[in-house]
Amino acid sequence: AQSVTQPDIHITVSEGASLELRCNYSYGATPYLFWYVQSPGQGLQLLLKYFSGDTLVQGIKGFEAEFKRSQSSFNLRKPSVHWSDAAEYFCAVGQAGGFKTIFGAGTRLFVKA
Amino acid sequence: EAGVTQFPSHSVIEKGQTVTLRCDPISGHDNLYWYRRVMGKEIKFLLHFVKESKQDESGMPNNRFLAERTGGTYSTLKVQPAELEDSGVYFCASSQGTGPFYEQYFGPGTRLTVT
Repeated sequence: AQSVTQPDIHITVSEGASLELRCNYSYGATPYLFWYVQSPGQGLQLLLKYFSGDTLVQGIKGFEAEFKRSQSSFNLRKPSVHWSDAAEYFCAVGQAGGFKTIFGAGTRLFVKA
Repeated sequence: EAGVTQFPSHSVIEKGQTVTLRCDPISGHDNLYWYRRVMGKEIKFLLHFVKESKQDESGMPNNRFLAERTGGTYSTLKVQPAELEDSGVYFCASSQGTGPFYEQYFGPGTRLTVT
């Protein structure tokens, strides 16, 4: 069965520091991978997605993610975190030809001054 | 362009009562999805509409949940009777087409608390 694991329930980083949020997936075929962010009171917003091609994908708000097939990972990174990045982040996998999106449990990011 | 809207934003009901959640998708989006997040766990798929037809309701927990999308516009999700384990955040999303190539746009969610 498809699944997504986000090992870190919450992470705290200092403003200006780099960030990496971990995501591992279990999927039998080539996955379609996503990262979403949810800020307080807002819906989930798509940060970036990977379907094929270059394994390093760029997203909005200065985020990037790297697909590593050998490790079944799709970690999200940002070189310098801003206070406004404090939110909850969800990794997700979609099915080719399907419509269900399988989400991880989320990682809540706290940013300290 | 207005995004996906959900009503109410919060609902507190007693066990055994009925609650109806509403979702208004982005205009022109034929695909509408319901998801639920319970107790800070993963967001789980409930069901998918294309226009007014249910394409997949395999994620619906049990027959106390009824989703409708009359006329292929807004959708409602009714829980009757509500149980304590139904508490959580219910998200609605919409997309222009079906499949991972079509971005799903999410609403802010309805937080349901059953006491």
